[in-house]
This record gives sequence, C-alpha cells and structure tokens, in this order.
Amino acid sequence: SQQGEEDPQALSIQEGENATMNCSYKTSINNLQWYRQNSGRGLVHLILIRSNEREKHSGRLRVTLDTSKKSSSLLITASRAADTASYFCATDAIPRGSNYKLTFGKGTLLTVNP
Amino acid sequence: KAGVTQTPRYLIKTRGQQVTLSCSPISGHRSVSWYQQTPGQGLQFLFEYFSETQRNKGNFPGRFSGRQFSNSRSEMNVSTLELGDSALYLCASSASTVRDEAFFGQGTRLTVV
Repeated sequence: SQQGEEDPQALSIQEGENATMNCSYKTSINNLQWYRQNSGRGLVHLILIRSNEREKHSGRLRVTLDTSKKSSSLLITASRAADTASYFCATDAIPRGSNYKLTFGKGTLLTVNP
Repeated sequence: KAGVTQTPRYLIKTRGQQVTLSCSPISGHRSVSWYQQTPGQGLQFLFEYFSETQRNKGNFPGRFSGRQFSNSRSEMNVSTLELGDSALYLCASSASTVRDEAFFGQGTRLTVV
C-alpha cells in the first residue's frame, strides 16, 4: 500500500489564489519530500523537510510537517498558470535494516486557471 | 551542474523483446534508484544501487534487473516484455541515501505493442 496519500486528488483554482495540498503517511519517517510533475514528464524536486522540522519555505512554497498526525501540507501562494501540474509527496520510512527507497502517494492534480 | 540524464526518452518495443534503459546521475551522486510510473499503480519503486551494489529491491518480477557501473551510471533491463510493462521509467539520483534530496531525470517512456 502507498505510504503517502495526497488530498485532494484534484484541485482547480484561479490564478493568484493559494493552493493547499495535504499528504498523510502511515509509518515513522526520516524525511518527506514534495515533487512536481508536468504532464508525463520527470519529477521536479520542490522541497525536503526532515522529521525534526515543522515548517520550511522556498519562494512561494511553504511546507509543514506534523509527525504526531503523520501528515504534511504544501501551500503554493499566489498561484500561476505555470503551477499547473501533479504534486506528489514522497517519504522514506525509518528503516528496519536497509530501506533505501522513497514511497510516493498518488498525487494531487492542480489546475490553475488564467 | 548537469541534472540526471536518462536515455532514450522514448522507446517502442514488441512483446517478448528486451530493453535496456540508461541513467547518468548528478556528478558526485552515488545512489541511483529506479521507479516505474503507470496511471493505475502510480510510482512504484524498482531498485536502488549504491557503489555498484543493489541495496534494495521492490516487488517486481525477475524480468526487471539493473546494474550500476563504477562511474555511478546505471542501467535497467527488462526482458521478455509484456504489454503491462508500458510505463514511464524514472531514475533518481541522491548523494548517498534517500535521506538526501532525490533528483529525478525526465524519464524514459516505454511503449510495448
């Protein structure tokens, strides 16, 4: 089963509005990463937040992490049409032995209308 | 510095054939991971290599294999292709482990007909 689950599955907003996407996961993690994917292309790394961090900013992006609730949120402020993409969270679980992999959710499809 | 490079970008193969995909990680990165992305299953982990050793493997049949060379470049091979192998194959590069940021290539779009 997927470690991360994004919510909502799809989000449609107007340019200039803020977009918030949520991610929930099941097991304890070392860090959580957010990625963007434009239609059928590679994943673009947006931000990494470690388990001992609660909030991180990068430009118009703000990520929060609540390890007690096993959840994270990605906020995109002042959205632009170019932000239209799928957004994924990816987690790495606390390893039992070696567990060198990221586990992805199914993503949130964000559409920003001009 | 240059990003992760995957070749080829697109491939069309026939059922039963085999295919080899290539990934060149970011210079200095030693960990390379492979993922399969399909509309139905999403992003699924295939395997991860570090210093030419496979450290972890996902739940894929033995038809899927990979290797890493001393310069950290990696290849994955799929033998006896099936229609269900049609997918976007993505390679990720990390400095050491997934605790580091993982950077992805543009992917190889494989279509099996």
